[in-house]
Amino acid sequence: GDSVTQMEGPVTLSEEAFLTINCTYTATGYPSLFWYVQYPGEGLQLLLKATKADDKGSNKGFEATYRKETTSFHLEKGSVQVSDSAVYFCALLSNDYKLSFGAGTTVTVRA
Amino acid sequence: GAVVSQHPSWVICKSGTSVKIECRSLDFQATTMFWYRQFPKQSLMLMATSNEGSKATYEQGVEKDKFLINHASLTLSTLTVTSAHPEDSSFYICSAKEDNPTQYFGPGTRLTVL
Repeated sequence: GDSVTQMEGPVTLSEEAFLTINCTYTATGYPSLFWYVQYPGEGLQLLLKATKADDKGSNKGFEATYRKETTSFHLEKGSVQVSDSAVYFCALLSNDYKLSFGAGTTVTVRA
Repeated sequence: GAVVSQHPSWVICKSGTSVKIECRSLDFQATTMFWYRQFPKQSLMLMATSNEGSKATYEQGVEKDKFLINHASLTLSTLTVTSAHPEDSSFYICSAKEDNPTQYFGPGTRLTVL
């Protein structure tokens, strides 16, 4: 079945550092891909998405490009802030509209 | 827009009792709602999918008699954990969607069974 594999971390960075979280997927057909963020004690918030190959999703300085040739959707941010500390989930939407999540990556940004 | 709420946000109950969790789409009509379970420091696992006015579809390994789901209107779905036990303690998260694929998530409900 469809699945997502992401770098598990945890990842600890200093403010203004570059962040990248790897995500690869296995799917039949052409899924939509998402990054969600979860702050402590809260539910998930959609960070960005891409619905077809070569699409780039972006939001709040984060970017991810849908790469069909490498089946990847890596998340990047050029300069992180303390407020970016959270758990990040890569997700894939299958043709039956079910979301499959990666294991989540805990990111801690230190001042 | 696209706000989903859950109530309660945290509930503690005794073993053997039943607990109902509500999921509401506040500013849109949700044709489909999903219920997820998240254990500490783990990912979300889909429990069931519910469409308004029809029976929920449960994922493999999820007991439908244990986790009762009702989707009575386009803005409300409920999850009832029946005869709860400590192993049911978890973070339960719902999501809702309209006719397009994007799911909007609620803030989650933390269930602690003593």
